[in-house]
Amino acid sequence: GAGVSQSPSNKVTEKGKDVELRCDPISGHTALYWYRQSLGQGLEFLIYFQGNSAPDKSGLPSDRFSAERTGGSVSTLTIQRTQQEDSAVYLCASSATGFGETQYFGPGTRLLVL
Amino acid sequence: QKEVEQNSGPLSVPEGAIASLNCTYSDRVSQSFFWYRQYSGKSPELIMSIYSNGDKEDGRFTAQLNKASQYVSLLIRDSQPSDSATYLCAVNMDDYKLSFGAGTTVTVRA
Repeated sequence: GAGVSQSPSNKVTEKGKDVELRCDPISGHTALYWYRQSLGQGLEFLIYFQGNSAPDKSGLPSDRFSAERTGGSVSTLTIQRTQQEDSAVYLCASSATGFGETQYFGPGTRLLVL
Repeated sequence: QKEVEQNSGPLSVPEGAIASLNCTYSDRVSQSFFWYRQYSGKSPELIMSIYSNGDKEDGRFTAQLNKASQYVSLLIRDSQPSDSATYLCAVNMDDYKLSFGAGTTVTVRA
């Protein structure tokens, strides 16, 4: 089946605007992750969803960041009042059950805040 | 101390040589270990997963795990220019969370 998809692939916004990034995981995968990767850096964990359980939000850098997952499938990451330091690639990944399993990554959304 | 550390790059090897990548991790109870390859401007893709001590081979790639030493490595035999990429080591720290190293950039010289 199809892999993880993300949209938009690129987003340019002005400082202070809100942005929404979308992730559609692999069908049937119950676990969904969001990561951020700044230029030349490793992956920074942001948030984890597992089925209907409460998400692990421990990686969100500030209260301007939020995410939701509707119907246990599609997820949206929202960044309010964007700042220039939010510029990065936002990667979504999914895994079958989330317990120490392989995570499959989407193509990412490249966010540039001017 | 970082949770997952990789040998600093960049690593440059001639075509046909062996590229050796190293990774150490801090959590003794980690059970799942992964190597991802990331081409410039692309997202990470899985190369190998390893769960038990010893070696695991897949084509030109061999992963080696030593839980007592908290060490996992990746060997790329007969390196090709297409292997030029950044290699990310990932270790599960909780039941579900993966911690990633900063990556080692490999360049294979033709």
